[in-house]
Amino acid sequence: EDKVVQSPLSLVVHEGDTVTLNCSYEVTNFRSLLWYKQEKKAPTFLFMLTSSGIEKKSGRLSSILDKKELFSILNITATQTGDSAIYLCAGGRMKTSYDKVIFGPGTSLSVIP
Amino acid sequence: DTGVSQDPRHKITKRGQNVTFRCDPISEHNRLYWYRQTLGQGPEFLTYFQNEAQLEKSRLLSDRFSAERPKGSFSTLEIQRTEQGDSAMYLCASSLGAGETQYFGPGTRLLVL
Repeated sequence: EDKVVQSPLSLVVHEGDTVTLNCSYEVTNFRSLLWYKQEKKAPTFLFMLTSSGIEKKSGRLSSILDKKELFSILNITATQTGDSAIYLCAGGRMKTSYDKVIFGPGTSLSVIP
Repeated sequence: DTGVSQDPRHKITKRGQNVTFRCDPISEHNRLYWYRQTLGQGPEFLTYFQNEAQLEKSRLLSDRFSAERPKGSFSTLEIQRTEQGDSAMYLCASSLGAGETQYFGPGTRLLVL
């Protein structure tokens, strides 16, 4: 059965700290790994990763995928209180007619001043 | 705003009542997805549409649940004879096509008393 596991499930850090969020996956016909940020509403898209070893960056956030180890990390440097949210990792299937995205439980990040 | 929209944003109902939610996807997106999210969990896939065709339904979708996308644009999700266990956030997402990034709406939060 497809599954996505995230760790830690929750994390509390101080402003300015750097955090690394982990995601491992077992997804049939895997195609892409997605990261979303969820505050008190719907998830907002951060990254889609399809190739191993190629880092994607957006400001202070970066992510990389290891398709051999079935693993991805999301790094946030110089954290700010606005980074407090649940970070969701999801595995997407191959581009076929029957694709769906399998979400992990999320990592709840709290950044305190 | 040209993002995914959902209506209503909140719904409180009594057990046994029927409820219907609406989702309007991003206009050029032909794929539309429904998810359910409970506290502390990532979104769980319910069903999805390619234009007006419903292509896959999760085993989570009991016979009390029905979804339609009659003209390939907006979609409705109906829950009949609601139960307290149906209380959750119901999220809609849309994408350009198979394997493309899914963009989420704000969700409908359902509370069944």
